[in-house]
Amino acid sequence: NAGVTQTPKFRVLKTGQSMTLLCAQDMNHEYMYWYRQDPGMGLRLIHYSVGEGTTAKGEVPDGYNVSRLKKQNFLLGLESAAPSQTSVYFCASSYSKVGPYEQYFGPGTRLTVT
Amino acid sequence: AQSVAQPEDQVNVAEGNPLTVKCTYSVSGNPYLFWYVQYPNRGLQFLLKYITGDNLVKGSYGFEAEFNKSQTSFHLKKPSALVSDSALYFCAVRDRDTGFQKLVFGTGTRLLVSP
Repeated sequence: NAGVTQTPKFRVLKTGQSMTLLCAQDMNHEYMYWYRQDPGMGLRLIHYSVGEGTTAKGEVPDGYNVSRLKKQNFLLGLESAAPSQTSVYFCASSYSKVGPYEQYFGPGTRLTVT
Repeated sequence: AQSVAQPEDQVNVAEGNPLTVKCTYSVSGNPYLFWYVQYPNRGLQFLLKYITGDNLVKGSYGFEAEFNKSQTSFHLKKPSALVSDSALYFCAVRDRDTGFQKLVFGTGTRLLVSP
């Protein structure tokens, strides 16, 4: 099992450019999440998905869009990148959204917007 | 609203000494509590979790955590630290009584174990 994988690992964008981050999991998990990690702020939830074809907003959704066309994939899009979106992005998945199920994290994507 | 506090930005300990990384939480109901570890340039790895029952939870790599309901704490401990334990540690909480609630993370504590 590869677990949770993310592509790309690093990316540099200019302000206004767009990009898509891809997350894939091979654990047959229903629930998937996108977080951003910024120094001194822990992890903040951007969007999440409770199943194929469904998505919902998290804590900091502005400027991001997501899609879950296949159960194993969860895409995070930036339509017009801003310097404030410079961060490390983590994807995670879990068996269930409720209950004591831990989340499994990918290795992260380091994004710099200049 | 849920919240987690990790009062120490960094904890320094000598190899072989016991370590404690502190975490306090706030939820309206009863908590599920988690500890994760992040090594440099890596994603978060699950260490252990508290569900219910025994207040002392044992996890991976010799770590354990003690749940204290009266003090709303869930401190991470290890009897003998290793240099390889140096990493960033996150505490997280979810309210188990109110349906779906997001997993709320603390801001992290950097553990530095010196040889």
